[in-house]
Amino acid sequence: AQSVTQPDIHITVSEGASLELRCNYSYGATPYLFWYVQSPGQGLQLLLKYFSGDTLVQGIKGFEAEFKRSQSSFNLRKPSVHWSDAAEYFCAGSDLSGGGADGLTFGKGTHLIIQP
Amino acid sequence: KAGVTQTPRYLIKTRGQQVTLSCSPISGHRSVSWYQQTPGQGLQFLFEYFSETQRNKGNFPGRFSGRQFSNSRSEMNVSTLELGDSALYLCASSSLPGDNLYEQYFGPGTRLTVT
Repeated sequence: AQSVTQPDIHITVSEGASLELRCNYSYGATPYLFWYVQSPGQGLQLLLKYFSGDTLVQGIKGFEAEFKRSQSSFNLRKPSVHWSDAAEYFCAGSDLSGGGADGLTFGKGTHLIIQP
Repeated sequence: KAGVTQTPRYLIKTRGQQVTLSCSPISGHRSVSWYQQTPGQGLQFLFEYFSETQRNKGNFPGRFSGRQFSNSRSEMNVSTLELGDSALYLCASSSLPGDNLYEQYFGPGTRLTVT
């Protein structure tokens, strides 16, 4: 079965420090992969996506993610976090065979806390 | 371009009642998906509509249903509400076929509380 796993439920980072949020996927073939961010009481905002090609993808708000097929991972990174980055982060995947009809499979999310 | 809009934003219902939630996709988007978000189960796919046709449905009981209109607006209905249906219901839209179909844009959600 298709799955997306985020091993870390909570992560605490000091403001200005670097960040890496982990995501592992399990699909029969390479899926499309996404990172979304959700602020309290809000919907999800797309940070970045990986479809194919360059394995390092750039997103909004200074985020980037690297696709590593050998590790089945798609980790999100940011060189220097800001207090406004505190939020819930979701990794998601989509099976290409469904033609977009199967929806996204989400990880459980990682809650990011920023320490001053 | 306006984003995905959902109405109402908040709703309180009693067990046994039914509820209808509405979603207007981004202009030009023809695919609409619905998700349920709860603290215990996380984000779960409910169903997807494309050109007024339900193409797929997640693992939810028949009490959960939906439809899509010719203008791509979508509604979802939950009948005989249970306490466990309390959740944030998110709608997402995607553009025409191709890679963009997999890239979903989410609305702010409808917070449903069942008492």
